Amino acid sequence: KAGVTQTPRYLIKTRGQQVTLSCSPISGHRSVSWYQQTPGQGLQFLFEYFSETQRNKGNFPGRFSGRQFSNSRSEMNVSTLELGDSALYLCASSHGTSGYNEQFFGPGTRLTVL
Amino acid sequence: AQSVAQPEDQVNVAEGNPLTVKCTYSVSGNPYLFWYVQYPNRGLQFLLKYITGDNLVKGSYGFEAEFNKSQTSFHLKKPSALVSDSALYFCAVRDINNAGNMLTFGGGTRLMVKP
Repeated sequence: KAGVTQTPRYLIKTRGQQVTLSCSPISGHRSVSWYQQTPGQGLQFLFEYFSETQRNKGNFPGRFSGRQFSNSRSEMNVSTLELGDSALYLCASSHGTSGYNEQFFGPGTRLTVL
Repeated sequence: AQSVAQPEDQVNVAEGNPLTVKCTYSVSGNPYLFWYVQYPNRGLQFLLKYITGDNLVKGSYGFEAEFNKSQTSFHLKKPSALVSDSALYFCAVRDINNAGNMLTFGGGTRLMVKP
């Protein structure tokens, strides 16, 4: 089975621009979560989607948004980029939402904001 | 609210020696606990989890972890470290009373295994 894929792997943007990141979960997985990883703040939860509905949202400003499609693929969007948005963005998929299933992570998208 | 603490930023161990990476957690209900490992320029790889039952959980690559409810700890252990175990390790928790899959991660512990 193919793992979680994320595109693109690397992005360089300038302040004020917006960016869209894509995630394809493992086949059959309907839950997709997004995390931001930075040296200063560590791993922080952004949001979770299941069956095209947002289930949970972390403590991030409204500039961060996401969506999930009927094939479970997910995108996250960051508008009006700030320098502090530079991070590794990780997507994770899971079979369900029971919480006891482990999440499988993609390789991440490294976003650099100049 | 749920939280995780990994008190050591780095753990150094000689190859062949046992290793322990510490983790303590805080949840209002009962926890689901996970360990993940991250190699450079890679995503997180699942190692093991505690859901219920036996307090000693065995996982991938010879790792195991012991759940201790009274001490709210879930330390990761391995009897004999390998140089290839050198990586960044994350402990994570979910409160079973919370819906969904949201994980709260600790700050990570860098494990360095010296030959």
